[in-house]
Amino acid sequence: GAVVSQHPSRVICKSGTSVKIECRSLDFQATTMFWYRQFPKQSLMLMATSNEGSKATYEQGVEKDKFLINHASLTLSTLTVTSAHPEDSSFYICSAMRGGTGELFFGEGSRLTVL
Amino acid sequence: GQSLEQPSEVTAVEGAIVQINCTYQTSGFYGLSWYQQHDGGAPTFLSYNALDGLEETGRFSSFLSRSDSYGYLLLQELQMKDSASYFCAVGSSGSARQLTFGSGTQLTVLP
Repeated sequence: GAVVSQHPSRVICKSGTSVKIECRSLDFQATTMFWYRQFPKQSLMLMATSNEGSKATYEQGVEKDKFLINHASLTLSTLTVTSAHPEDSSFYICSAMRGGTGELFFGEGSRLTVL
Repeated sequence: GQSLEQPSEVTAVEGAIVQINCTYQTSGFYGLSWYQQHDGGAPTFLSYNALDGLEETGRFSSFLSRSDSYGYLLLQELQMKDSASYFCAVGSSGSARQLTFGSGTQLTVLP
């Protein structure tokens, strides 16, 4: 079964609202989690690296004030898309690295549609 | 920085063998991974090469040549369910797990 769970899998919201996406490691502690964004028919683009207990590291061109990342525990990281706009509509995918082994697991993804 | 190149589309018939190539440029190399993604789904891990040579996992094999900055994914005995996008990925500088993905190859398997 899935070892990394994302919630919600699909979300539709109105422009201007904020949306929170959760990424949970189910049976291991994830010292590091990664957030990706994927537009239709395109590749996965790394948005940010989330380390438990510290500030996330954002990739160039990703607005940290718009995409808030919180990694408050070893099993949970959240991505909040603030004041969402239609251009933020995308597939957001997290991956989690198991502490110790370094194995990487991907979540099922969250499809955001902003109307 | 990192950049990877792979063909955008490949078409083959059931039972055939297909090879998807990937060339990369990286500032530091932490292995080449391959992922499969079906429409609407998340990437699933297929294979990983840290050293030169061939890694075989059932019908899928992956090859790496670090001196050529080149790798490939070989899919044998193709099945309809193998129709998907295939991405090669390398670890970004400083981290083997901070992946940079190629643009993806859409594989279509015909009956």
